[in-house]
Amino acid sequence: DGGITQSPKYLFRKEGQNVTLSCEQNLNHDAMYWYRQDPGQGLRLIYYSQIVNDFQKGDIAEGYSVSREKKESFPLTVTSAQKNPTAFYLCASSRSAKETQYFGPGTRLLVL
Amino acid sequence: KNEVEQSPQNLTAQEGEFITINCSYSVGISALHWLQQHPGGGIVSLFMLSSGKKKHGRLIATINIQEKHSSLHITASHPRDSAVYICAVGRTSGSRLTFGEGTQLTVNP
Repeated sequence: DGGITQSPKYLFRKEGQNVTLSCEQNLNHDAMYWYRQDPGQGLRLIYYSQIVNDFQKGDIAEGYSVSREKKESFPLTVTSAQKNPTAFYLCASSRSAKETQYFGPGTRLLVL
Repeated sequence: KNEVEQSPQNLTAQEGEFITINCSYSVGISALHWLQQHPGGGIVSLFMLSSGKKKHGRLIATINIQEKHSSLHITASHPRDSAVYICAVGRTSGSRLTFGEGTQLTVNP
């Protein structure tokens, strides 16, 4: 089955710790995205990548880092510099930047 | 003021009712998207439209480019339609989406 997978479903972070959220797609999509969702707010773009080995900051990139070494993978690292990381994180992909985005099931990050 | 505004924020209906969710935007767009988010968090894309009207089953989406307004209609609503419905716009100036805050729909049996 083609689709987008995110792991883990729940992730706990200790103070001062970096954690990495996984996003994999087998849809052969060029573009991939990371969003953050907080209660009562719309999705906000963290980072996006339109092609392998290239990515751009979104609206709230501070405290996050990404890599795009392979077309199918776009991992997101939440660094210790992100002071309020508790949120629901969604990964998405699309065939190209202006086409329909397909979303993964999300990862809920909680700080201990 | 948000660039994408949805109304209402919350909507409760009885099974079988006709439902309308509205989305207004203030930027130039290349396309407008309607998304559905279920309680578990997963998001499904319902429609992408740049003009006119699209229909899929009991769902209908319309857009008026001149008025910068879109509506999502659900006919013969059912409890399984209960979800958050999100409007998002793709700007003409770039490839990114801007999202509304969502409308929480609850359909009671």
